[in-house]
Amino acid sequence: NAGVTQTPKFRILKIGQSMTLQCTQDMNHNYMYWYRQDPGMGLKLIYYSVGAGITDKGEVPNGYNVSRSTTEDFPLRLELAAPSQTSVYFCASSFQTKTDSPLHFGNGTRLTVT
Amino acid sequence: LAKTTQPISMDSYEGQEVNITCSHNNIATNDYITWYQQFPSQGPRFIIQGYKTKVTNEVASLFIPADRKSSTLSLPRVSLSDTAVYYCLVGDVPSNTGKLIFGQGTTLQVKP
Repeated sequence: NAGVTQTPKFRILKIGQSMTLQCTQDMNHNYMYWYRQDPGMGLKLIYYSVGAGITDKGEVPNGYNVSRSTTEDFPLRLELAAPSQTSVYFCASSFQTKTDSPLHFGNGTRLTVT
Repeated sequence: LAKTTQPISMDSYEGQEVNITCSHNNIATNDYITWYQQFPSQGPRFIIQGYKTKVTNEVASLFIPADRKSSTLSLPRVSLSDTAVYYCLVGDVPSNTGKLIFGQGTTLQVKP
């Protein structure tokens, strides 16, 4: 049982490049989330999904896209990377809708855009 | 709309009890209150969760008053390894859509 797995761990992008951050969970969780965390700051919700085929915007969705074709995977796409997207990205999952089911986080992807 | 409010930082010494309070005035009837701990370069991890009154586990206690508009995380006899950022989290308001937004968190610095 690996939990929430994020790849890659580190990535450097040039301005205007695109990439996909991968997130997979093996706990059969229906809810999945993407957060970003800038240095010294808290977690900001980018997108979330309540099940396969369903996604919704969080606090800071601009510049990102997501898809949820399976229960296990929730990739985050950056189409035109900008320096403002330099951050650490965390994927998380939980089993139920409500906050009586804790979030399980991955170890993060550290992204630098130059 | 701020869901939770916590002190930005706190200092303590080894062996002391630390209490971190979180304000959540708009908590919904069905929401639980969950606390997470985050070390540098790691994702947050679950500490404790509760709905009302008091919950205790092997690492912390959680006190929730009857009106549920605040909660207090209590860490007994902290050590240097408890230095971390602590977040309280409640569900989306006014309905539980699965949208979970973190507050700014509390940076706890434990000194020797």
